[in-house]
Amino acid sequence: EPEVTQTPSHQVTQMGQEVILRCVPISNHLYFYWYRQILGQKVEFLVSFYNNEISEKSEIFDDQFSVERPDGSNFTLKIRSTKLEDSAMYFCASTLAGDEQYFGPGTRLTVT
Amino acid sequence: GENVEQHPSTLSVQEGDSAVIKCTYSDSASNYFPWYKQELGKGPQLIIDIRSNVGEKKDQRIAVTLNKTAKHFSLHITETQPEDSAVYFCAASKANFGNEKLTFGTGTRLTIIP
Repeated sequence: EPEVTQTPSHQVTQMGQEVILRCVPISNHLYFYWYRQILGQKVEFLVSFYNNEISEKSEIFDDQFSVERPDGSNFTLKIRSTKLEDSAMYFCASTLAGDEQYFGPGTRLTVT
Repeated sequence: GENVEQHPSTLSVQEGDSAVIKCTYSDSASNYFPWYKQELGKGPQLIIDIRSNVGEKKDQRIAVTLNKTAKHFSLHITETQPEDSAVYFCAASKANFGNEKLTFGTGTRLTIIP
């Protein structure tokens, strides 16, 4: 069964450093998302992406964040200068053309 | 924007009994309501969903009901088993051609007592 994959599973970085989180969505899906989940809290929407451009972004997704689909399979989230409060689980999700979003296993980002 | 409330935050149920988790939403334009199961260290797994043109949907031991007038929907798990222990999240969206974000509830930690 096709699934969304994410790398790395855990990333530790120092405050102020740049990180890139990588996702490979399900191959025939067209819409891509990033969500994050701070420990013990609910999953929060960050950004949606379709046809090589951002469809919608939340207030969390400020100028420090960017997304890119550099090729036909990868979807990346970059945080330019990490802050302590960026520590969270980051989930990538994808959907074909409707509403069923399938999530990856997540990347745990720890900013020290 | 949309706000989704979920209750209870924790639920313990004897194996074999039923579990019910309830959610309310605020935006009457929301039309798609999925439920996700999250096991420790894993991503949310879609287990069932319902669209606003349907009042109830069932898949084996899992069912979801939707009351559009009251703006609430519920997850029902019957004949619970130990492997049902997890955190369950409800969500809502105005699903339209696939580019609508999900707004999640705060989650319910379900524990099945053997």
